[in-house]
This record gives sequence, structure tokens and C-alpha cells, in this order.
Amino acid sequence: QSVLTQPPSVSGAPGQRVTISCTGSSSNFGSSLNAHWYQQLPGAAPKLLIYDNTERPSGVPDRFSGSKSGTSASLAISGLQPEDEAVYYCHSFDVRLGSPIFGGGTTVTVL
Amino acid sequence: EVQLLESGGGLVQPGESLRLSCVASGFTFRHYAMTWVRQAPGKGLEWVSHISGTGTDMEYADSVKGRFTVSRDNSKNTLSLQMNSLGVEDTAVYYCAKGWRSFELDSWGRGTMVNVTS
Repeated sequence: QSVLTQPPSVSGAPGQRVTISCTGSSSNFGSSLNAHWYQQLPGAAPKLLIYDNTERPSGVPDRFSGSKSGTSASLAISGLQPEDEAVYYCHSFDVRLGSPIFGGGTTVTVL
Repeated sequence: EVQLLESGGGLVQPGESLRLSCVASGFTFRHYAMTWVRQAPGKGLEWVSHISGTGTDMEYADSVKGRFTVSRDNSKNTLSLQMNSLGVEDTAVYYCAKGWRSFELDSWGRGTMVNVTS
């Protein structure tokens, strides 16, 4: 069981907006630790999508956006496209555990 | 362009050892901390270990502490993971990534598969 909780799956039609939640606690997001998000396409390595809650690395489309509030973070994908089908992971650091932590991953399906 | 290339994975029996390597290019290796992350078949990501740029600070997940040792050779731009007393629970794809602790992992290698089976 992951310290960061994500829904196992979300789905949406092309062009729709979907959001993925990542629920933490007082010992990670609640301690002002940042959320980072990764996209893992089938058979590929993870790729950084969002860092420091809201920042996009160069080359990541602005359809992807992140936010954080209190002990939770979210990733939103607007204008959903077939190539967005992937597993998405949130990532942070937990001060109680003293280690980096990942969410369990959310599979995004484009209907 | 940052490139990370892992090697050293393979098929081993329980109790045996393996040494993974990750060769880095496209950035000043000694300036950056590095991390190992693994992914068991069909499962999520699990942090394994990380090491500072100088190689003086290392941390490990409880699941590998005392069995795995992370190191780096900054003269060869190489990160290593020595894995001893391997168990079936260590079966996974092992990724090296640039970054550590609370910071984002901004570049990842393609991974190397470790399969521990009797």
C-alpha cells in the first residue's frame, strides 16, 4: 500500500479533461514537500511530466497541468488525446519515513 | 541531451549477486545526485537508493538496506548498484535516474531487468 494514494484508473473521451488525484498526509505534502508527476507509456521508462507541483519541463505540452493544496496534489490533462494513454505516477518525499515515495499509479484510458 | 544507459541485469538464483551499472552522458555527472528506482512486473515504482554527487551520502530503502550498495565513479560517469543476497522479491526492472531526495527525477534510463528465480 502506497503512502501516496492514487485512483487505479481514470478514463475520458478524446478532447475531454481528466484529473488524477494524489492524496498524501502531514508528513509529505502537508510538510510543504512538492509533488512531481511522471508519465509511463507502455513498455517505456517513466518520463518527468510535472515538477514542483505546477512546473512543466521543456517539451511537455501545456495540456498537462499540476496543482497542490494541503495534503493532496492533482494532475489534469485537458484536450485528452489517444497518445496520453499511459500510467501516471505522483512522487514526493516523506519526512516521517525519511525517503522518497511514489503513488501506486493511475492508468489513463482514452475511450 | 542527457542519456542514462543501464546494464548488468540478468537471471540469477536466490542468494546470488548482481552488479548494475548506469553510464551517464550529456551533463556534468559529478554535479548531480543519482537515484535507483525499481519496478516489479506489473507493479508501480519503488525507490531503492540514492547517492550524492560527491558519493559521500547514500540512503537506502528498508527493503534493500544491508544487501544493496550504491556507488559512483565520477571519473567514468558511472553509477553502480551492487546487489547481494538477492531474493525473488527483488525481481524488477531497475532504472537509474538523475535527481534525489525531495527533488524531481528529471531524466531516466531505459532500465535493466533483474530476474531472481530458482
